[in-house]
Amino acid sequence: DTGVSQNPRHKITKRGQNVTFRCDPISEHNRLYWYRQTLGQGPEFLTYFQNEAQLEKSRLLSDRFSAERPKGSFSTLEIQRTEQGDSAMYLCASSASRGNGSPLHFGNGTRLTVT
Amino acid sequence: DQQVKQNSPSLSVQEGRISILNCDYTNSMFDYFLWYKKYPAEGPTFLISISSIKDKNEDGRFTVFLNKSAKHLSLHIVPSQPGDSAVYFCAARPSGAGSYQLTFGKGTKLSVIP
Repeated sequence: DTGVSQNPRHKITKRGQNVTFRCDPISEHNRLYWYRQTLGQGPEFLTYFQNEAQLEKSRLLSDRFSAERPKGSFSTLEIQRTEQGDSAMYLCASSASRGNGSPLHFGNGTRLTVT
Repeated sequence: DQQVKQNSPSLSVQEGRISILNCDYTNSMFDYFLWYKKYPAEGPTFLISISSIKDKNEDGRFTVFLNKSAKHLSLHIVPSQPGDSAVYFCAARPSGAGSYQLTFGKGTKLSVIP
């Protein structure tokens, strides 16, 4: 079990630039989630995929954010025209499809700093 | 409006004693509850969970208690060890539509003093 892998671990970018993060879930998991965590807060849900289908997006996910999971395996999260308020830890998680009783397994996150 | 609340930002406990971390929730649709542990620079790690049909679940040194009428759950760690020092997050998931979304509390930082 290689766990959930996220790249890069850290990203520093200037305001207005676009950034893209990658997540590789646990191989047998067909559910994939993106969360965002800011200082002093718990993770906040952004979006969810079952296989390649994006089934839910949070209102936190503005139109500058887009996520894809083209073949139902890895996923990317892109932020266009970054703003300082986008600075956060972006966490990816995956789970198996065993009803609602499957816990999420998180990666170590990508820390984004927008200067 | 916070639906999952962890009112203690921090907790210090002596090694070998019991650690009790508390969590309250407001959404009566929540029916599955989880605890995660997080070390600095790492993602949250799943610890233990409980379904609303139970009031207790035990796994080694970790026990989670659920009081549905009070909308309260707690995580007991006994005996506490220095390696348990981390931030603990309570999370909840509703039944039915949207049940893949976890709502997290803000976390409680546990320090176990040797």
